[in-house]
Amino acid sequence: DQQVKQNSPSLSVQEGRISILNCDYTNSMFDYFLWYKKYPAEGPTFLISISSIKDKNEDGRFTVFLNKSAKHLSLHIVPSQPGDSAVYFCAASAAGNMLTFGGGTRLMVKP
Amino acid sequence: EAGVAQSPRYKIIEKRQSVAFWCNPISGHATLYWYQQILGQGPKLLIQFQNNGVVDDSQLPKDRFSAERLKGVDSTLKIQPAKLEDSAVYLCASSAERTGLLGYTFGSGTRLTVV
Repeated sequence: DQQVKQNSPSLSVQEGRISILNCDYTNSMFDYFLWYKKYPAEGPTFLISISSIKDKNEDGRFTVFLNKSAKHLSLHIVPSQPGDSAVYFCAASAAGNMLTFGGGTRLMVKP
Repeated sequence: EAGVAQSPRYKIIEKRQSVAFWCNPISGHATLYWYQQILGQGPKLLIQFQNNGVVDDSQLPKDRFSAERLKGVDSTLKIQPAKLEDSAVYLCASSAERTGLLGYTFGSGTRLTVV
């Protein structure tokens, strides 16, 4: 029973273009969503988050959009840079409790 | 601020052997988590501690996995006996009450290979 799903295992984008990573969830009790970035041989690091009371949160080149009716969120990276190449995990929480992670999307940004 | 420390970084064992992983969280972080990340999948929570008490261990395979956090600081996760399907990266994370989910910090993990 996967409550958080990232249906694209990989994504390849040209440097300077937009990267869009998608995430779907099934549990309507989730009220907080986070994106983590993971480089090889390192632990995941926090990137950006959004509360369910918002539909957009922006931090520099990173923007997260939340569509509660569709139970869908997305991470936009503009412009994409080669250093953004990593695995991106979507995670969700209900009432501040433990995080449930999606399976991850490997982003490759080509110079 | 020092990060979450984990050791060893890598471990290779034969099936049916035992193995233990160690985690030292960020100083002052009351909550400690152990996650299992199988290749190609997202991290899955095994156990959550609040100080030295267990909050959630519903996904811990208790017939072979055990974990403790005796003094509310560092923690050990043990597998006995190991199976091939236990091959994964074991991630420890910690968080402080005042920062909640935003302060969720992961260690670099221990990569376990069972052969």
